[in-house]
Amino acid sequence: GESVGLHLPTLSVQEGDNSIINCAYSNSASDYFIWYKQESGKGPQFIIDIRSNMDKRQGQRVTVLLNKTVKHLSLQIAATQPGDSAVYFCAESPGGKLIFGQGTELSVKP
Amino acid sequence: EAQVTQNPRYLITVTGKKLTVTCSQNMNHEYMSWYRQDPGLGLRQIYYSMNVEVTDKGDVPEGYKVSRKEKRNFPLILESPSPNQTSLYFCASSSLAGHNEQFFGPGTRLTVL
Repeated sequence: GESVGLHLPTLSVQEGDNSIINCAYSNSASDYFIWYKQESGKGPQFIIDIRSNMDKRQGQRVTVLLNKTVKHLSLQIAATQPGDSAVYFCAESPGGKLIFGQGTELSVKP
Repeated sequence: EAQVTQNPRYLITVTGKKLTVTCSQNMNHEYMSWYRQDPGLGLRQIYYSMNVEVTDKGDVPEGYKVSRKEKRNFPLILESPSPNQTSLYFCASSSLAGHNEQFFGPGTRLTVL
């Protein structure tokens, strides 16, 4: 079946370091990918997205990389800050559906 | 303020007692969706709607119903709730069918005894 998974359930980084969160997806029909951030007690919040005709997209302090050959997606956060501590979900969209991965919890150590 | 609202935010009920969780958005979005979030399982899509009177099943639709009579509202109906529907529920909306930024509501924590 369809699935989107993350390689690591938790990630701990030092404040100021760069963070890399990885995601594997399985549906070749997916043409749109999104990263969400969820802070404790809140709903997911959109971070950045990328379409399948791109392999890289940059936002403010964040970069998403897409490797369609190996069905891999990653989120890079530059100069990680304490406010970045949250659970990060990748999601893929084959058509109207949205399929989320299980999430990676990012902890930022001061 | 652009937002997605859900009501109630917390609900404790008993098995078999019908309930409705409301969802409303003020952004004139065509696409709306319901998810449930469970520990270790992440977010799973229950139902989605691409426009008024158009609804489709997500990955876990069993035991749920939805309706989309108006563009702004997308209620989630549990006709006969069971304990395995105890979960955290999120409603979301976006301007295009899943291909734009989805705005999530604050969540509804449901407990079915």
